[in-house]
Amino acid sequence: DVKVTQSSRYLVKRTGEKVFLECVQDMDHENMFWYRQDPGLGLRLIYFSYDVKMKEKGDIPEGYSVSREKKERFSLILESASTNQTSMYLCASSLRGGEISGANVLTFGAGSRLTVL
Amino acid sequence: AQKVTQAQTEISVVEKEDVTLDCVYETRDTTYYLFWYKQPPSGELVFLIRRNSFDEQNEISGRYSWNFQKSTSSFNFTITASQVVDSAVYFCALSEARGGNTGKLIFGQGTTLQVKP
Repeated sequence: DVKVTQSSRYLVKRTGEKVFLECVQDMDHENMFWYRQDPGLGLRLIYFSYDVKMKEKGDIPEGYSVSREKKERFSLILESASTNQTSMYLCASSLRGGEISGANVLTFGAGSRLTVL
Repeated sequence: AQKVTQAQTEISVVEKEDVTLDCVYETRDTTYYLFWYKQPPSGELVFLIRRNSFDEQNEISGRYSWNFQKSTSSFNFTITASQVVDSAVYFCALSEARGGNTGKLIFGQGTTLQVKP
């Protein structure tokens, strides 16, 4: 069963800590995404990557960075966690879209719920 | 700019009732894709449907149906004879199909559907 796996389901961190959220996909997808989900705001894109070592900012990149050293792995990094980063973080992957295939379906992980105290 | 609006924050129905979830979108592109995802209590978003902007035919899949109307920029989702297992958060999303690499989705705020027995 193909899937996107997020390493931690629940995390509790303290303000100022460095936090790593890991995501691995086994579908050989080119695209990978990190979204943040908050009540009433839906999902908002933090960063995405369309190839190894490539990254682009999404709508809310402030306070976050990412790393994609291997095709299957996409890490989200909070350099210095703050309480306003308490949220559900969702990783997703997809095949690369294009003019013919269009926008491909995203496959999501189960999410990582981060609480920053 | 792209935008997706799901005006209904929460809907509660009794089992076997029909329910329609509204989705209104904004985009300047002529080619785009619309999606619906379901997020059950387990947290993992599940893909339901993808529609491209050139295909306005309504679609039916079992108890689910979708009504796409470009004239009103809407892509509504109807569940017929709802069941308790339909209880979830439902997201509508939009993706442009511009350029060689696509896949970024803009999500609505989500509608929480509760189906009571």
